[in-house]
Amino acid sequence: GENVEQHPSTLSVQEGDSAVIKCTYSDSASNYFPWYKQELGKRPQLIIDIRSNVGEKKDQRIAVTLNKTAKHFSLHITETQPEDSAVYFCAATFDTGRRALTFGSGTRLQVQP
Amino acid sequence: ETGVTQTPRHLVMGMTNKKSLKCEQHLGHNAMYWYKQSAKKPLELMFVYSLEERVENNSVPSRFSPECPNSSHLFLHLHTLQPEDSALYLCASSPVTQSYEQYFGPGTRLTVT
Repeated sequence: GENVEQHPSTLSVQEGDSAVIKCTYSDSASNYFPWYKQELGKRPQLIIDIRSNVGEKKDQRIAVTLNKTAKHFSLHITETQPEDSAVYFCAATFDTGRRALTFGSGTRLQVQP
Repeated sequence: ETGVTQTPRHLVMGMTNKKSLKCEQHLGHNAMYWYKQSAKKPLELMFVYSLEERVENNSVPSRFSPECPNSSHLFLHLHTLQPEDSALYLCASSPVTQSYEQYFGPGTRLTVT
Protein backbone atom coordinates (compact mmCIF):
# COMPACT_ATOMS: atom_id res chain seq x y z
CA GLY A 1 0.00 0.00 0.00
CA GLU A 2 0.94 3.65 0.26
CA ASN A 3 4.15 4.05 2.19
CA VAL A 4 6.78 6.70 2.88
CA GLU A 5 9.92 5.66 4.71
CA GLN A 6 12.16 8.25 6.35
CA HIS A 7 15.71 7.96 7.67
CA PRO A 8 17.35 8.56 10.03
CA SER A 9 14.93 8.77 12.94
CA THR A 10 17.37 10.95 14.89
CA LEU A 11 20.23 13.09 13.70
CA SER A 12 22.71 15.11 15.73
CA VAL A 13 25.08 17.56 14.07
CA GLN A 14 27.41 20.32 15.17
CA GLU A 15 26.39 23.88 14.46
CA GLY A 16 27.62 24.86 11.01
CA ASP A 17 27.61 21.32 9.66
CA SER A 18 25.19 20.03 7.03
CA ALA A 19 22.26 17.70 7.70
CA VAL A 20 20.65 15.32 5.22
CA ILE A 21 17.36 13.47 5.68
CA LYS A 22 16.19 10.89 3.17
CA CYS A 23 12.79 9.53 2.23
CA THR A 24 11.60 6.85 -0.13
CA TYR A 25 8.09 6.39 -1.46
CA SER A 26 6.26 3.45 -2.92
CA ASP A 27 3.83 4.86 -5.50
CA SER A 28 5.43 5.93 -8.76
CA ALA A 29 2.36 8.12 -9.42
CA SER A 30 3.28 10.46 -6.56
CA ASN A 31 3.90 13.96 -7.84
CA TYR A 32 4.22 16.28 -4.85
CA PHE A 33 6.76 16.01 -2.03
CA PRO A 34 6.68 18.52 0.82
CA TRP A 35 8.84 18.79 3.90
CA TYR A 36 7.43 19.99 7.22
CA LYS A 37 9.25 21.22 10.30
CA GLN A 38 7.68 20.78 13.71
CA GLU A 39 9.24 22.53 16.66
CA LEU A 40 8.51 21.27 20.15
CA GLY A 41 4.91 22.01 21.11
CA LYS A 42 4.11 23.65 17.79
CA ARG A 43 2.27 22.73 14.62
CA PRO A 44 3.99 21.29 11.55
CA GLN A 45 4.91 24.00 9.07
CA LEU A 46 5.87 23.65 5.43
CA ILE A 47 9.49 24.60 4.81
CA ILE A 48 10.00 23.48 1.22
CA ASP A 49 8.31 21.33 -1.39
CA ILE A 50 9.07 19.90 -4.81
CA ARG A 51 6.97 18.66 -7.66
CA SER A 52 7.74 15.69 -9.83
CA ASN A 53 8.74 17.75 -12.86
CA VAL A 54 11.66 19.27 -10.95
CA GLY A 55 14.83 17.54 -9.78
CA GLU A 56 16.06 20.06 -7.24
CA LYS A 57 14.81 23.13 -5.41
CA LYS A 58 16.68 25.44 -3.10
CA ASP A 59 15.63 28.12 -0.63
CA GLN A 60 18.52 29.77 1.19
CA ARG A 61 20.04 27.10 3.48
CA ILE A 62 17.59 24.35 2.64
CA ALA A 63 17.28 22.30 -0.52
CA VAL A 64 15.33 19.28 -1.66
CA THR A 65 16.36 16.80 -4.33
CA LEU A 66 14.13 14.28 -6.06
CA ASN A 67 15.07 11.11 -7.90
CA LYS A 68 11.91 9.80 -9.53
CA THR A 69 13.58 6.75 -10.99
CA ALA A 70 14.77 5.60 -7.59
CA LYS A 71 11.65 6.98 -5.88
CA HIS A 72 13.48 8.90 -3.22
CA PHE A 73 13.86 12.51 -2.17
CA SER A 74 16.09 14.22 0.33
CA LEU A 75 16.22 17.35 2.48
CA HIS A 76 19.53 19.13 2.77
CA ILE A 77 20.20 21.79 5.41
CA THR A 78 23.52 23.61 5.19
CA GLU A 79 25.24 25.74 7.83
CA THR A 80 22.93 24.38 10.51
CA GLN A 81 21.95 26.59 13.42
CA PRO A 82 20.51 25.70 16.85
CA GLU A 83 17.10 26.99 15.72
CA ASP A 84 17.06 24.26 13.08
CA SER A 85 16.56 21.76 15.92
CA ALA A 86 13.11 20.22 15.40
CA VAL A 87 11.34 17.18 13.99
CA TYR A 88 11.25 17.08 10.21
CA PHE A 89 8.62 15.16 8.26
CA CYS A 90 8.65 14.27 4.60
CA ALA A 91 5.41 13.51 2.79
CA ALA A 92 4.06 12.51 -0.58
CA THR A 93 0.74 12.58 -2.34
CA PHE A 94 -0.51 9.35 -3.81
CA ASP A 95 -3.78 10.60 -5.24
CA THR A 96 -3.98 14.07 -6.68
CA GLY A 97 -7.76 13.93 -6.41
CA ARG A 98 -7.92 13.85 -2.64
CA ARG A 99 -4.74 15.81 -2.04
CA ALA A 100 -4.08 13.92 1.16
CA LEU A 101 -0.50 13.48 2.27
CA THR A 102 1.16 10.33 3.55
CA PHE A 103 3.87 11.28 5.99
CA GLY A 104 7.16 9.69 6.88
CA SER A 105 7.88 8.78 10.48
CA GLY A 106 9.89 11.92 11.18
CA THR A 107 13.51 12.79 11.93
CA ARG A 108 14.47 14.50 15.15
CA LEU A 109 17.33 16.88 14.31
CA GLN A 110 19.47 18.22 17.12
CA VAL A 111 21.98 20.93 16.29
CA GLN A 112 24.67 21.16 18.96
CA PRO A 113 26.00 24.68 19.55
CA GLU B 1 -5.44 33.93 15.67
CA THR B 2 -5.62 33.61 11.90
CA GLY B 3 -5.21 30.60 9.63
CA VAL B 4 -6.34 27.32 11.14
CA THR B 5 -7.60 27.31 14.72
CA GLN B 6 -8.51 24.42 16.98
CA THR B 7 -10.41 24.22 20.25
CA PRO B 8 -9.92 23.12 22.87
CA ARG B 9 -6.15 23.06 23.00
CA HIS B 10 -6.13 20.52 25.82
CA LEU B 11 -8.78 17.96 26.78
CA VAL B 12 -8.91 15.32 29.48
CA MET B 13 -11.80 12.91 29.28
CA GLY B 14 -12.89 9.65 30.79
CA MET B 15 -13.62 6.61 28.70
CA THR B 16 -17.38 7.06 29.08
CA ASN B 17 -17.44 10.75 28.16
CA LYS B 18 -18.58 12.36 24.92
CA LYS B 19 -16.68 15.37 23.68
CA SER B 20 -16.05 17.20 20.42
CA LEU B 21 -13.00 18.81 18.88
CA LYS B 22 -13.48 21.84 16.70
CA CYS B 23 -11.41 23.14 13.81
CA GLU B 24 -11.95 26.35 11.89
CA GLN B 25 -10.04 27.68 8.92
CA HIS B 26 -10.03 31.28 7.79
CA LEU B 27 -8.11 30.70 4.56
CA GLY B 28 -10.92 30.01 2.10
CA HIS B 29 -9.72 26.45 1.56
CA ASN B 30 -11.91 23.64 0.21
CA ALA B 31 -10.41 20.59 1.88
CA MET B 32 -9.96 19.79 5.55
CA TYR B 33 -8.24 16.92 7.30
CA TRP B 34 -7.92 15.25 10.69
CA TYR B 35 -4.59 13.73 11.70
CA LYS B 36 -3.59 11.84 14.82
CA GLN B 37 -0.07 12.39 16.11
CA SER B 38 1.36 9.99 18.65
CA ALA B 39 4.73 8.52 19.49
CA LYS B 40 3.89 5.30 17.62
CA LYS B 41 2.64 6.89 14.38
CA PRO B 42 3.83 10.47 14.11
CA LEU B 43 1.31 11.80 11.58
CA GLU B 44 -1.54 9.44 10.83
CA LEU B 45 -4.28 10.57 8.45
CA MET B 46 -7.77 9.93 9.85
CA PHE B 47 -10.32 11.72 7.67
CA VAL B 48 -10.40 13.84 4.54
CA TYR B 49 -13.18 16.21 3.56
CA SER B 50 -13.15 17.84 0.15
CA LEU B 51 -15.86 20.38 -0.67
CA GLU B 52 -17.66 19.26 2.51
CA GLU B 53 -17.89 15.64 1.40
CA ARG B 54 -15.99 12.94 3.23
CA VAL B 55 -13.71 11.42 0.66
CA GLU B 56 -11.67 9.24 2.95
CA ASN B 57 -12.02 7.36 6.19
CA ASN B 58 -8.71 5.76 6.94
CA SER B 59 -9.95 2.70 8.85
CA VAL B 60 -10.65 4.81 11.89
CA PRO B 61 -12.68 3.22 14.72
CA SER B 62 -16.30 4.30 14.91
CA ARG B 63 -15.72 5.94 18.29
CA PHE B 64 -14.34 8.82 16.21
CA SER B 65 -17.03 10.57 14.17
CA PRO B 66 -16.20 13.53 11.91
CA GLU B 67 -18.55 16.26 10.81
CA CYS B 68 -17.99 18.99 8.24
CA PRO B 69 -21.02 21.33 8.18
CA ASN B 70 -19.34 23.80 5.78
CA SER B 71 -16.00 24.41 4.16
CA SER B 72 -14.72 26.44 7.11
CA HIS B 73 -15.55 24.13 9.99
CA LEU B 74 -14.61 20.60 10.90
CA PHE B 75 -15.52 18.65 14.02
CA LEU B 76 -14.34 15.38 15.50
CA HIS B 77 -16.89 13.85 17.85
CA LEU B 78 -15.46 11.50 20.44
CA HIS B 79 -17.24 8.85 22.50
CA THR B 80 -16.20 5.86 24.58
CA LEU B 81 -12.53 6.41 23.81
CA GLN B 82 -9.69 4.19 24.98
CA PRO B 83 -6.48 5.25 26.74
CA GLU B 84 -4.54 4.45 23.57
CA ASP B 85 -6.48 7.22 21.84
CA SER B 86 -4.52 9.76 23.87
CA ALA B 87 -2.60 11.83 21.34
CA LEU B 88 -2.32 15.19 19.64
CA TYR B 89 -5.12 15.66 17.13
CA LEU B 90 -4.20 17.99 14.30
CA CYS B 91 -6.53 19.61 11.84
CA ALA B 92 -5.31 20.84 8.47
CA SER B 93 -6.76 22.58 5.45
CA SER B 94 -5.73 22.87 1.83
CA PRO B 95 -6.83 25.04 -1.10
CA VAL B 96 -7.03 21.87 -3.24
CA THR B 97 -7.50 23.59 -6.57
CA GLN B 98 -4.59 26.02 -6.32
CA SER B 99 -2.04 24.16 -4.25
CA TYR B 100 -1.24 20.88 -2.60
CA GLU B 101 0.06 22.63 0.51
CA GLN B 102 -1.60 21.79 3.81
CA TYR B 103 -1.84 24.27 6.66
CA PHE B 104 -2.01 22.79 10.14
CA GLY B 105 -3.81 23.99 13.22
CA PRO B 106 -2.10 24.02 16.64
CA GLY B 107 -3.68 20.73 17.66
CA THR B 108 -5.71 19.45 20.58
CA ARG B 109 -3.78 17.45 23.18
CA LEU B 110 -6.20 14.71 24.23
CA THR B 111 -5.73 12.57 27.31
CA VAL B 112 -8.11 9.68 27.93
CA THR B 113 -8.16 8.48 31.52
